[in-house]
Amino acid sequence: QVQLQESGPGLVKPSQTLSLTCTVSGGSISSGGYYWSWIRQHPGKGLEWIGYIYYSGSTYYNPSLKSRVTISVDTSKNQFSLKLSSVTAADTAVYYCARAQISELGTAMASDYWGQGTLVTVSS
Amino acid sequence: EIVMTQSPATLSVSPGERATLSCRASQSVSSNLAWYQQKPGQAPRLLIYGASTRATGIPARFSGSGSGTEFTLTISSLQSEDFAVYYCQQYNNWPPPMYTFGQGTKLEIK
Repeated sequence: QVQLQESGPGLVKPSQTLSLTCTVSGGSISSGGYYWSWIRQHPGKGLEWIGYIYYSGSTYYNPSLKSRVTISVDTSKNQFSLKLSSVTAADTAVYYCARAQISELGTAMASDYWGQGTLVTVSS
Repeated sequence: EIVMTQSPATLSVSPGERATLSCRASQSVSSNLAWYQQKPGQAPRLLIYGASTRATGIPARFSGSGSGTEFTLTISSLQSEDFAVYYCQQYNNWPPPMYTFGQGTKLEIK
C-alpha cells in the first residue's frame, strides 16, 4: 500500500519561501509509471493543482504559479519537494502531495494516492 | 484554461435515495475526467477516472458517465458515509498540463 506524508513548517512569514517535503513509502518513486504532484486547497475552498514531477526530474507547473514554484525529487530518499517563493497570505492553504498514473500516451491521469495534507499559514 | 463547473453547489438528499451530481467543462476533455470525494479534515479520495471507471475499492453504487463536456456522478442509494463534498477534475489539457478542478458539490443529508 502506497503512502504519502507531507512535512514542513506550518507557519511561514510573508515574502519568505514555503518548503514542503513528501515522503513516499510502500513504493519507489524511481520505479517510474507515475507523476508525483502537489495540490493545494485554500481554507474552505476548492482544489488547485500546483505541479508535477517525474522521477527523472521533468517538471510541469501551473502557469499561474510557475514563476514562484520549484518541485524537485530525491530518489535516494524516496521524497519529492515543493518550494514556493515570495509567499503572501493568499498562499495560506492545506498542501497535499499525490500520485498520478501515467497513461499510454505519457500524460498524467487522475491522482489515486494522496497524503493527509498539511496546513501552511502565511503570517508575520 | 479549461474551466470546470459543478452543479448544484449543494444537494440535499435522504439516505437510501439517489444522488445525481453534474460537472461541465468549458471545452471538450474527452473522457479524461475524474471524480473525488472529500470528507472534512481528510484528503480527497479518488472515486472515478476515465469518466466512468471506478477506482479500486469503490462501491458499485458510485457510477460515472459522460464525455466531452458533460459529466455525471450518480450515487444509487445513499449511505450515511457518502455525505461529503465531491469534486470533478479534468486531466485532458496536455501538453503542457493544466489540470483543473470543479468548485465542488456538497452532498448533505435531507
